[in-house]
Amino acid sequence: LAKTTQPISMDSYEGQEVNITCSHNNIATNDYITWYQQFPSQGPRFIIQGYKTKVTNEVASLFIPADRKSSTLSLPRVSLSDTAVYYCLVGDSYSGAGSYQLTFGKGTKLSVIP
Amino acid sequence: NAGVTQTPKFRVLKTGQSMTLLCAQDMNHEYMYWYRQDPGMGLRLIHYSVGEGTTAKGEVPDGYNVSRLKKQNFLLGLESAAPSQTSVYFCASSYLPGQGRYEQFFGPGTRLTVL
Repeated sequence: LAKTTQPISMDSYEGQEVNITCSHNNIATNDYITWYQQFPSQGPRFIIQGYKTKVTNEVASLFIPADRKSSTLSLPRVSLSDTAVYYCLVGDSYSGAGSYQLTFGKGTKLSVIP
Repeated sequence: NAGVTQTPKFRVLKTGQSMTLLCAQDMNHEYMYWYRQDPGMGLRLIHYSVGEGTTAKGEVPDGYNVSRLKKQNFLLGLESAAPSQTSVYFCASSYLPGQGRYEQFFGPGTRLTVL
């Protein structure tokens, strides 16, 4: 299972753009990079997923350089409601046996300050 | 659609008691998972299932058993609860991933305390 490294915590003021970088040096060829968001007392929620270059949806953007050894989640103009833990996951390659395990690290705790 | 639901939401057990946590999904997902989350930690996979009638061990399976008799349900059992099993338990489900693509849909969690 490819492992990821991300900052333990980050602080940001409301209205700013927040970039959270994740390192995944051992990413495999078939692996995708996925980010989840978790609010207190709730289950994680899928934010965005990508394989290479840039992916954008209504919530965030994901930037992946050519070597794919890192990725950056970008949250535009954060608000207080974006205060949460953000997890970077690298999906294990799909195997013929049908197993598919993910590893959630400790994530990055983002605190948005008014 | 209700998505992924978990029963119960809270439970307090005494050491040695048994209980079953129920997870149900109405999205016709093939894969289902049970995770535990301890304070300040990420989620750790307990068991998972890739289809009805199949189960497999995850990262921390000891002390737990699971069953997937119906596609929409995934049960997590604790035969003899221990204080170390005090945690928040999350169930999730997903479609057949293929090629590394996936999105897991999580339930609201069950907060279990073992005294």
